[in-house]
Order: sequence, then C-alpha cells, then structure tokens
Amino acid sequence: EVQLVESGGGLVQPGGSLRLSCAASGFTFSSYEMSWVRQAPGKGLEWVSYISSGYNTYYADSVKGRFTISRDNAENSLYLQMNSLRAEDTAVYYCARLPTTFAGFDYWGQGTLVTVSS
Amino acid sequence: DIQMTQSPSTLSASVGDRVTITCRASQSISSWLAWYQQKPGKAPKLLIYKASSLESGVPSRFSGSGSGTEFTLTISSLQPDDFATYYCQQYMSYSRTFGQGTKVEIK
Repeated sequence: EVQLVESGGGLVQPGGSLRLSCAASGFTFSSYEMSWVRQAPGKGLEWVSYISSGYNTYYADSVKGRFTISRDNAENSLYLQMNSLRAEDTAVYYCARLPTTFAGFDYWGQGTLVTVSS
Repeated sequence: DIQMTQSPSTLSASVGDRVTITCRASQSISSWLAWYQQKPGKAPKLLIYKASSLESGVPSRFSGSGSGTEFTLTISSLQPDDFATYYCQQYMSYSRTFGQGTKVEIK
C-alpha cells in the first residue's frame, strides 16, 4: 500500500526556518517524481515545489530562493527546507507523488500544518 | 505562469442532479489537466487525468472533457458523497497551477 507521511510542521516565528519531511513506503520511491503542495487555512491548493527522480527541481515564484526541496532515496524520504518564513507561508503542507512527468498527483500525504506567527 | 480559472466558485445542487464545473487556462495546455476532489480536513483525491481519463477506482458518474484552454468536469448524477470542493490543475508546465476551486453544496 502506498503511504506518504509528512512530519516537521509546527509554530515558527517570522524569519525562522523549518524542515518538513515526507516518509514514503509501498512503492519504489527513487523512480518517482514528487512535489510539495500547500493550502492556507480556508484557501485553495497551491503547488510549491517539484523534484524529479533525477534531482531536477522547480519552485513556485512565491517560495523561490527561500525553500529547497530535496530527496534521500536511500531513506525513501522527501524534504522541504523552508527559510525566511513569512506569515503568508502558514498552511497545511502536503507531499504528493507523480506517476509520470505529465500526470496528476495520484497519492497524497495527510499533510502537516506550518504556522508562521510571532 | 499559466493561470487556471474555475467557474462557478460555489454550486448548490440536489442529489441526483447533473453537475458541470468549468476550468479555463490562460494559454493552451493541450490535454494536460487533472481534476481533484477534496473534503474538509482531507487531502485531495485524483479523479481525472489527461483531461478525460478516469483514475482507477473513481465512479463512472465522474467524467472530464476538453482540450486547449477549456475543460469541464461533469458529475452525471450527484450522490451524497460528492458534496466537496473540486479543483482543476494544469501540468503543461512544471509550475503546476491549480484553479481556485468549486465548492459543491447541498441545495
């Protein structure tokens, strides 16, 4: 069974940092492209970042230069390092799997809440 | 970036109704479009990919159509489990933008 489990969310002050993790199981993690998607409270979905199986990365303009996506295939884990956090980064962060490059996200984690507030 | 616009933002319907949601892209995305269903407090669920392909396990009352810049999601006979928010998403570019969502409410 495919499972994605996020962790690392919490309360952080503006300007602070946080590292999110996503533990993957039930599939060959190294073969799949992955993304982070976030959802601010009461708002819609926003794509945040993408990493290919070959470690190519892309970011939304809203997080470029502040967030870094990475993966550890040996640990079957996806990460999101978030620096210089702002109030508008407050959201539930989901990790999601892509079956192929040109595809929708077929599996999602349950999400982890990041709150940026003083 | 490619912008995605859904309409309506909210839709009130009754069980058994035929429901249609529209998604428009700011430029052609061919058929690189997905539809998701999200219920409160839950992660989104993939319904449709490549504009009209039904994801495994999704009921056949859901269907998608369109190409280029205009797309529709249709629920042929609304069921109680279908009251939720629906999002379209383009994946023509790596910046995989979502529409703003359409909430389907009980009339």
